[in-house]
Amino acid sequence: EPEVTQTPSHQVTQMGQEVILRCVPISNHLYFYWYRQILGQKVEFLVSFYNNEISEKSEIFDDQFSVERPDGSNFTLKIRSTKLEDSAMYFCASSKGTSRYVGQETQYFGPGTRLLVL
Amino acid sequence: QQQVKQSPQSLIVQKGGISIINCAYENTAFDYFPWYQQFPGKGPALLIAIRPDVSEKKEGRFTISFNKSAKQFSLHIMDSQPGDSATYFCAARKSSGYALNFGKGTSLLVTP
Repeated sequence: EPEVTQTPSHQVTQMGQEVILRCVPISNHLYFYWYRQILGQKVEFLVSFYNNEISEKSEIFDDQFSVERPDGSNFTLKIRSTKLEDSAMYFCASSKGTSRYVGQETQYFGPGTRLLVL
Repeated sequence: QQQVKQSPQSLIVQKGGISIINCAYENTAFDYFPWYQQFPGKGPALLIAIRPDVSEKKEGRFTISFNKSAKQFSLHIMDSQPGDSATYFCAARKSSGYALNFGKGTSLLVTP
């Protein structure tokens, strides 16, 4: 069964450094998402991406965040200057994007990247 | 603003018992309500979902009950098994939107 994969599984970085989290969505999916989960808290939506454009973003997704689909398989989340409060588990997800109501499609989540900012 | 409230935070049920997790939402524009199951070290995985035009949906041992007027929905796990031990998240989304709004999660432990 196709799965969303994410690399690395863990990343430790120093405050102020740039990090890039990588995801390979399910191959025939058209919509891609990033969520984060701070330890002990709920999963929070960051951004959705379709046709090389951001389709929706949350208040969390400020100018220090960016997303990119650099090639036909990868989807990345870049944090330009990491802060201590960016420490979280970051989940990538994808959905088919073929139904009339994309909002009712299943989003398939990857296993996450645990980011620790020191 | 917490758009989806989930309770309880943790739950311990004996094998064979019924696990019940409750959620309430605020935004009346939500019209898609999935439940996700998450095992340690894994991402959330869709368990079952419901749209507000029905009051109940059942898939095997898992049932969602939906009360549109009260803006509440719940997950019932019948004949709970130790393998059901996981964290369960309710969520809500607008059909016209993309963001899943998650509850805080319920950690379920099913004891043998």
